[in-house]
Amino acid sequence: SQQGEEDPQALSIQEGENATMNCSYKTSINNLQWYRQNSGRGLVHLILIRSNEREKHSGRLRVTLDTSKKSSSLLITASRAADTASYFCATDAFAGNQFYFGTGTSLTVIP
Amino acid sequence: DTAVSQTPKYLVTQMGNDKSIKCEQNLGHDTMYWYKQDSKKFLKIMFSYNNKELIINETVPNRFSPKSPDKAHLNLHINSLELGDSAVYFCASRGGERNEQFFGPGTRLTVL
Repeated sequence: SQQGEEDPQALSIQEGENATMNCSYKTSINNLQWYRQNSGRGLVHLILIRSNEREKHSGRLRVTLDTSKKSSSLLITASRAADTASYFCATDAFAGNQFYFGTGTSLTVIP
Repeated sequence: DTAVSQTPKYLVTQMGNDKSIKCEQNLGHDTMYWYKQDSKKFLKIMFSYNNKELIINETVPNRFSPKSPDKAHLNLHINSLELGDSAVYFCASRGGERNEQFFGPGTRLTVL
């Protein structure tokens, strides 16, 4: 299976703390994307990092990519209660139009 | 304006029935997808459709079939529904400069 894995599966932190989620994948990729899903809703794109990039920032989000280890991390700084959601990584392989999503991390930010 | 829309939002039906879920995108994207998200939130790609090229995830039963009447639509037909088909089904389209996917709001299918 080309499905990625994320850890932790669940993460609970206090508001203001940083949250770090990790994603591992199995195949060579063109890029890796992170998505957010609020309970009962569709997924929303957060950030894309290409295979030749190592780090990317967007507001309070910081994404790293290590292609040698086939892993990525998403850091959310100064978390807010509104950040409570599930976060998924998705890999875009070179072949075809296939996206493969990780298993997701459920983040709870306690006010 | 909604970028990717799906109907219905909820679908409750009996085992053995045939049902369809509609998806429309107004983004002008060339590629559309169907995903299944199970109760554990595991998100699995079912189909991708690009310029009339269909790529099927080999694990998807042939009771599921996508139909694309035009570039803006990719509907999902399911025959002989089974209990295990209960899940949330998401449609998505892909394109633009960032090549990101835009997801529909999902259709929660419950098979009784």
